[in-house]
Amino acid sequence: GAGVSQSPRYKVAKRGQDVALRCDPISGHVSLFWYQQALGQGPEFLTYFQNEAQLDKSGLPSDRFFAERPEGSVSTLKIQRTQQEDSAVYLCASSSRQGFSGANVLTFGAGSRLTVL
Amino acid sequence: AQKITQTQPGMFVQEKEAVTLDCTYDTSDPSYGLFWYKQPSSGEMIFLIYQGSYDQQNATEGRYSLNFQKARKSANLVISASQLGDSAMYFCAMNDRGSTLGRLYFGRGTQLTVWP
Repeated sequence: GAGVSQSPRYKVAKRGQDVALRCDPISGHVSLFWYQQALGQGPEFLTYFQNEAQLDKSGLPSDRFFAERPEGSVSTLKIQRTQQEDSAVYLCASSSRQGFSGANVLTFGAGSRLTVL
Repeated sequence: AQKITQTQPGMFVQEKEAVTLDCTYDTSDPSYGLFWYKQPSSGEMIFLIYQGSYDQQNATEGRYSLNFQKARKSANLVISASQLGDSAMYFCAMNDRGSTLGRLYFGRGTQLTVWP
């Protein structure tokens, strides 16, 4: 597609529910990142995929968070047993480059805003 | 440790005037990249400009320029001839060779408001 597409744009969940957030990156982009953006903050790294391989998940805040990209294109971020502190915007970004290569510009989606009641 | 510091929570500028958004960074790696992104209320992060640590000249992209002062570790964004549509959050970000696989570190952002 022309850009990075995320769905749903808005999700309201009751505490304890499981949620799944989808990211459709730009076609052919090798690298895919998930970021969490709390209200009034900058985005914080969650996890990184290079094709289908999850090479870094050091930013995932707990084992309730799980991400996958089984065919190296679409990715899903799953949050189990949601808590109020999970309320945030979840941003997905993709890039045609791998690793640190200077101008590795990430293209971001519009995000999925999760509100946990 | 905070890698990117943006000390201005909010800035105001009149239409057609220039504005500077401050950013300082922290890294011991000689090889790094600095980025500015714009985030309007719609939520999407829009890439504006990039500066590499070895670039000799300050980066420019249309009305955007990056005032890169390596010794001070600052990478301020200058927007010339502000427009109403420039009102948004602006984030400074960095990656370096130590960054896992190209991940970006972001500052807390500056909310820019352009008034007529």
